[in-house]
Amino acid sequence: AQKITQTQPGMFVQEKEAVTLDCTYDTSDPSYGLFWYKQPSSGEMIFLIYQGSYDQQNATEGRYSLNFQKARKSANLVISASQLGDSAMYFCAMRSEDTGRRALTFGSGTRLQVQP
Amino acid sequence: DAGVTQSPTHLIKTRGQHVTLRCSPISGHKSVSWYQQVLGQGPQFIFQYYEKEERGRGNFPDRFSARQFPNYSSELNVNALLLGDSALYLCASSLEAGGPQETQYFGPGTRLLVL
Repeated sequence: AQKITQTQPGMFVQEKEAVTLDCTYDTSDPSYGLFWYKQPSSGEMIFLIYQGSYDQQNATEGRYSLNFQKARKSANLVISASQLGDSAMYFCAMRSEDTGRRALTFGSGTRLQVQP
Repeated sequence: DAGVTQSPTHLIKTRGQHVTLRCSPISGHKSVSWYQQVLGQGPQFIFQYYEKEERGRGNFPDRFSARQFPNYSSELNVNALLLGDSALYLCASSLEAGGPQETQYFGPGTRLLVL
């Protein structure tokens, strides 16, 4: 069975500083994808970044980077130079090749608050 | 290009009623997935459809059903509503019902309140 664990219910960061949101996962599949989504109070899930299990390099998208440590089964999101608009819920999710499991499995989320 | 659209945005129903939620995927996307997000939790997978066929089903009762139309839009139906069905219902679209690398793009959701 797949599982995503996000152990930080809430995080605070000062504007312009970097912040790391933790995510660990569990799967027996060798092929899987890891995703991070941002959910503002409006409710829409906004795709941020993707990391494949076979990717050699850590993924980066603008101010977002994914610190992928396969042996430790962790996929932490790093946001550099935080902005007030980054305040939102952040969800880590996984999708694997397991038969019939092409759905995303989500963690419980981390609420990030960026302070001026 | 338009993103994923969902209607209605908000809905209030009473216990025992039936509800239909609608979703239009991103143009060119052939797969639609539905998720339920209860307050304070991450989304839970309900269904995935690809080319009008069900490709996956989550752990939800038979009161939940869905279908996909030839234009790839989709409906989620919930019968005999319970208070616990109150949630944000999210629709996600993807190009194919492909492998682990395929990104799903979400719509704004429908907030359902059951009284």
